[in-house]
Amino acid sequence: ETGVTQTPRHLVMGMTNKKSLKCEQHLGHNAMYWYKQSAKKPLELMFVYSLEERVENNSVPSRFSPECPNSSHLFLHLHTLQPEDSALYLCASSQVGRGNTEAFFGQGTRLTVV
Amino acid sequence: GENVEQHPSTLSVQEGDSAVIKCTYSDSASNYFPWYKQELGKGPQLIIDIRSNVGEKKDQRIAVTLNKTAKHFSLHITETQPEDSAVYFCAASNYQAGTALIFGKGTTLSVSS
Repeated sequence: ETGVTQTPRHLVMGMTNKKSLKCEQHLGHNAMYWYKQSAKKPLELMFVYSLEERVENNSVPSRFSPECPNSSHLFLHLHTLQPEDSALYLCASSQVGRGNTEAFFGQGTRLTVV
Repeated sequence: GENVEQHPSTLSVQEGDSAVIKCTYSDSASNYFPWYKQELGKGPQLIIDIRSNVGEKKDQRIAVTLNKTAKHFSLHITETQPEDSAVYFCAASNYQAGTALIFGKGTTLSVSS
């Protein structure tokens, strides 16, 4: 176990559904990230939260909405997704600002949009 | 922003051979370069990293080299074993600025016995 837990592990949703992905880290880190992993593409950074403030949003469509209520929890709210949004969504955490930048990943949520 | 290119996309070797994966980065401000290994059904896990103040780092059968001038870094795995088969990702960031990791596309390594 890496100390980063993602739920659910698998999710199938229709294009009109609303669902949320959850990530929890038990490492005392101060930064959390959402990455999207599609076939034959690099890990794409979606959102960054550092000290509970969003610091980056790489032109992600508004149908993806992140929420970081505290430094240990991160959510990704999904609504009216498209089939091309099917992918593995990975959450990661790290400690920034003290020179130790190793990022720890969860096991991911495999999302299928039908 | 940072852009990381990784080659090759697939690599097949015989058990006992060496494997080399190469990455280039674009942002000269990047100073932290980790390598992650991802096994089927799992998230990526750090296997080795290097900062820009050193040129080489070794951990048993794994080594990473960095050429800051050319902006490229490489992963070397010696005496490969079947359990080394996985997808390997390189990444780059600026650890002092606390920027997020930007990843390469990954290399699928297959080690046959």
